[in-house]
Amino acid sequence: GESVGLHLPTLSVQEGDNSIINCAYSNSASDYFIWYKQESGKGPQFIIDIRSNMDKRQGQRVTVLLNKTVKHLSLQIAATQPGDSAVYFCAENSPHYGGSQGNLIFGKGTKLSVKP
Amino acid sequence: KAGVTQTPRYLIKTRGQQVTLSCSPISGHRSVSWYQQTPGQGLQFLFEYFSETQRNKGNFPGRFSGRQFSNSRSEMNVSTLELGDSALYLCASRRGNTGELFFGEGSRLTVL
Repeated sequence: GESVGLHLPTLSVQEGDNSIINCAYSNSASDYFIWYKQESGKGPQFIIDIRSNMDKRQGQRVTVLLNKTVKHLSLQIAATQPGDSAVYFCAENSPHYGGSQGNLIFGKGTKLSVKP
Repeated sequence: KAGVTQTPRYLIKTRGQQVTLSCSPISGHRSVSWYQQTPGQGLQFLFEYFSETQRNKGNFPGRFSGRQFSNSRSEMNVSTLELGDSALYLCASRRGNTGELFFGEGSRLTVL
């Protein structure tokens, strides 16, 4: 079915530790994946994206890993800071959903809490 | 460069009423998408417009409609409001057919 799920609804980490947020997707035809961060009272903010022809992509303090074999996506945040506290969503896009990348299927979200 | 602007930010309506929400995309962006966010269902795609044409529509009843103007600004309308329509309605824009979606802060609708 059309589902993008997150393994953990909440994640609590110590400041300075690395965080890993996981996501499972169900549509093997999905070819574009994105991670968004949403702080309280704000709209989702783009973090990083990856296309299905890649396994890994790095940004500033963040890395996204894509495992198409098991349909799994993860977001790694290095040296987590209090400002990273937010809800993180993975999202997928597929030709199955009309092909337009304005139509994203979002996961339910993981709340990341960073303890000082 | 101004971001995606949504108005109004907050509004309260009663059941049976209708509501119109407005979205001004980032300058130069021609694609506008709308999403509904609720605690129970999360973020769900409503529709997408590109150059005044609806390109995609999510699984929502016909009470939800939208349009896009020649200046790329978009509006969505919900008629005959139900309690379950209470949600944060998010608008997002992007330049062309691909690329990053930029979200606005949303319009929080409460239906009493």
